[in-house]
Amino acid sequence: AQSVTQLDSQVPVFEEAPVELRCNYSSSVSVYLFWYVQYPNQGLQLLLKYLSGSTLVKGINGFEAEFNKSQTSFHLRKPSVHISDTAEYFCAVSDAGGYQKVTFGIGTKLQVIP
Amino acid sequence: NAGVTQTPKFQVLKTGQSMTLQCAQDMNHNSMYWYRQDPGMGLRLIYYSASEGTTDKGEVPNGYNVSRLNKREFSLRLESAAPSQTSVYFCASSEAWLAGGQGDTQYFGPGTRLTVL
Repeated sequence: AQSVTQLDSQVPVFEEAPVELRCNYSSSVSVYLFWYVQYPNQGLQLLLKYLSGSTLVKGINGFEAEFNKSQTSFHLRKPSVHISDTAEYFCAVSDAGGYQKVTFGIGTKLQVIP
Repeated sequence: NAGVTQTPKFQVLKTGQSMTLQCAQDMNHNSMYWYRQDPGMGLRLIYYSASEGTTDKGEVPNGYNVSRLNKREFSLRLESAAPSQTSVYFCASSEAWLAGGQGDTQYFGPGTRLTVL
């Protein structure tokens, strides 16, 4: 069974600074990886996902993530954050193929400071 | 397209009371899910329905029941609410039969904030 670890529960960052939100996973098989974002008082929405191919995945709102199989990581990055990026970010993993459920991490709260 | 809708948005119950959380999607998706979100624990799957007519337990099913009324609707019932069920409940849907193995996107509703006193 797969699992996912988000190493930081909260990340404060100044506006226009870069940010990296860390995610590590474990699985004995090939995986699919997702990042979802939850804005205050809203449901989750997909930021980006890695299924196969290029290990650098670009998503919405200028976010990108890099799949690193050797380090079992899928860190999320943005070169310059805005106040509107303040939200909670969830990393998720699923075993690839067949019928599988998705396992979510505990979330990282990104606080952008003006 | 409304996407995934949930009712009610907020609810306060007393211990022992029952209630049903409603969820509907208008995207013709096959699979639907109920999650609960608690601080420091992320999202945990309560029940899911891979297709119309089937339901299965997720990670934390105790104290809950579900009904997949038709392809659009998936309800979650608390028969005898307990304070431990205070949480935010999210319904989600995906086109694939179980989102993960197909790398499919899940679409989430806005959530129901439930407090059990």
